[in-house]
Amino acid sequence: GENVEQHPSTLSVQEGDSAVIKCTYSDSASNYFPWYKQELGKGPQLIIDIRSNVGEKKDQRIAVTLNKTAKHFSLHITETQPEDSAVYFCAARQAGTALIFGKGTTLSVSS
Amino acid sequence: GAVVSQHPSWVICKSGTSVKIECRSLDFQATTMFWYRQFPKQSLMLMATSNEGSKATYEQGVEKDKFLINHASLTLSTLTVTSAHPEDSSFYICASSVPPNTGELFFGEGSRLTVL
Repeated sequence: GENVEQHPSTLSVQEGDSAVIKCTYSDSASNYFPWYKQELGKGPQLIIDIRSNVGEKKDQRIAVTLNKTAKHFSLHITETQPEDSAVYFCAARQAGTALIFGKGTTLSVSS
Repeated sequence: GAVVSQHPSWVICKSGTSVKIECRSLDFQATTMFWYRQFPKQSLMLMATSNEGSKATYEQGVEKDKFLINHASLTLSTLTVTSAHPEDSSFYICASSVPPNTGELFFGEGSRLTVL
């Protein structure tokens, strides 16, 4: 089955800096790669996703890149703000199957 | 996006009792529902996949007699934790995808279970 590795487990940045979180996946059949933000006591919230036929996607300060050959994808957050502090999860799936999550990255943005 | 509603959001029960968690798709028909479990400061671990009208498929290591999943309609799936013990205390989250189930999963708000 699918296995998703995520790094780093914790990340501390200064407000205004960029943050990058990286994930690798094992199943070449996976074709959907979302990123979730989870705040304490709440369910995960989708922040951006990418499909395997696209190499990069951007939404304001957030971007995701995908390298299918290397089976890795990354989340990029620019101009970080304190409200970006949360736990971020990457995930992967193929059609009809469940999402398999990485172990999460705790992002702390200090002002 | 599609809405998945989960209830209750938190529950406290005594050891040995059973607890039922409901997950409803409010504006779409959820033919497949996924149930996840999350321990503090850990990732979401898939427990089982339920398909409407058939038995759930459990992940390795998940006791099907302990965690009863019912998906009797296209808008409702339930997870019952039977004879709960303190080690069952966790955050349980359901999720579903709009047919044809190829992309985004929509998550419920989660249910925090505490077993005393």
